[in-house]
Amino acid sequence: LAKTTQPISMDSYEGQEVNITCSHNNIATNDYITWYQQFPSQGPRFIIQGYKTKVTNEVASLFIPADRKSSTLSLPRVSLSDTAVYYCLVGVDSGAGSYQLTFGKGTKLSVIP
Amino acid sequence: NAGVMQNPRHLVRRRGQEARLRCSPMKGHSHVYWYRQLPEEGLKFMVYLQKENIIDESGMPKERFSAEFPKEGPSILRIQQVVRGDSAAYFCASSRAGPPTSSYNEQFFGPGTRLTVL
Repeated sequence: LAKTTQPISMDSYEGQEVNITCSHNNIATNDYITWYQQFPSQGPRFIIQGYKTKVTNEVASLFIPADRKSSTLSLPRVSLSDTAVYYCLVGVDSGAGSYQLTFGKGTKLSVIP
Repeated sequence: NAGVMQNPRHLVRRRGQEARLRCSPMKGHSHVYWYRQLPEEGLKFMVYLQKENIIDESGMPKERFSAEFPKEGPSILRIQQVVRGDSAAYFCASSRAGPPTSSYNEQFFGPGTRLTVL
């Protein structure tokens, strides 16, 4: 069964760079990789999206190797307000030509003062 | 431009009752997705609809759950004869275009409906 895998949790001190990796072995050929941030009692919020190599915006960078079987979300110089759960979202080939949207189980990032 | 709207934000039902969750997508979006999030767990895809059509319901439980997205009005997720295990947060998202995900079909999420079954 197609799935994505992320670390369950991570701790980091303020000001450090945080890298969260998601593995997605069965990613669909044409599919982008999207990362979301979720605070308690809120809906997920878009962070960044990419197809291959590297994408950077004002809040994060996304690194995708050539085989696209994984992706790494990089948060530079985290602050306390970055404490949240981070999810990767991909579409995966689930066999027989079918396609399935799959969220990772999320990585709970705790930023420590 | 208002974001994705969901109502009610909180819903309490007794076992055996029906729950109706509503989702109004962003203006210009014709693709709607429903996800369920159990306490302390990640998001699980349930169903993807495009105006009047169910495109993918591979994540929907086989019984008691149904979804629709009529030509006019919001998308509705309906749960019949609710049980305690249905207690969860249900999120709706909308996008301008459908999967496979691309730079044109980012999903925007609503605030969710928290269903509690007593």
